[in-house]
Amino acid sequence: GAVVSQHPSWVICKSGTSVKIECRSLDFQATTMFWYRQFPKQSLMLMATSNEGSKATYEQGVEKDKFLINHASLTLSTLTVTSAHPEDSSFYICSAPRDMSSYEQYFGPGTRLTVT
Amino acid sequence: KQEVTQIPAALSVPEGENLVLNCSFTDSAIYNLQWFRQDPGKGLTSLLLIQSSQREQTSGRLNASLDKSSGRSTLYIAASQPGDSATYLCAVNQGGSEKLVFGKGTKLTVNP
Repeated sequence: GAVVSQHPSWVICKSGTSVKIECRSLDFQATTMFWYRQFPKQSLMLMATSNEGSKATYEQGVEKDKFLINHASLTLSTLTVTSAHPEDSSFYICSAPRDMSSYEQYFGPGTRLTVT
Repeated sequence: KQEVTQIPAALSVPEGENLVLNCSFTDSAIYNLQWFRQDPGKGLTSLLLIQSSQREQTSGRLNASLDKSSGRSTLYIAASQPGDSATYLCAVNQGGSEKLVFGKGTKLTVNP
């Protein structure tokens, strides 16, 4: 099956610093990738759609200046959490559709962010 | 706005039992529906994908059905095993969009 990786798998940072999370499609190209956030015992909430070669599309309520997304290539999207606060602590997961006819999504293993 | 509901929120069964997880969605205009498995602290593993034109999909001990008109899907797990213990998430893909809308999941515990 298709493989999507994320790096790092977990990160701890201090309030006010920035953290970059990478999402890579390892065996297919993805013009679109999605970033989700999951709080404890909650479901995944879509944050933004990352588009290769153009600006990301953010969901309502998600601050685009705080969560910077760059789709640098057909296999890499990055999410940078700027000026992190403790309330940004969460599980961040990316996904990418491999088959554009079925829209089946493949998910990365997630990144656990803890802001102290 | 699409809303996805999963019932029950948690389920505990003895090993070997057959079980059904339920998923409902408010807007029947979907492109497909996916069932995922999530282990604690891990990402999502795709289990089954049902296109809107399909009624069911099967993979091993798993069978997922879709009744698009009534906005319902079920995931049937046969002969459950302790290794099936995980949270099962249902997600719908809106027609014309790649975005997924997730339910809150059902946490399944299979006791040996």
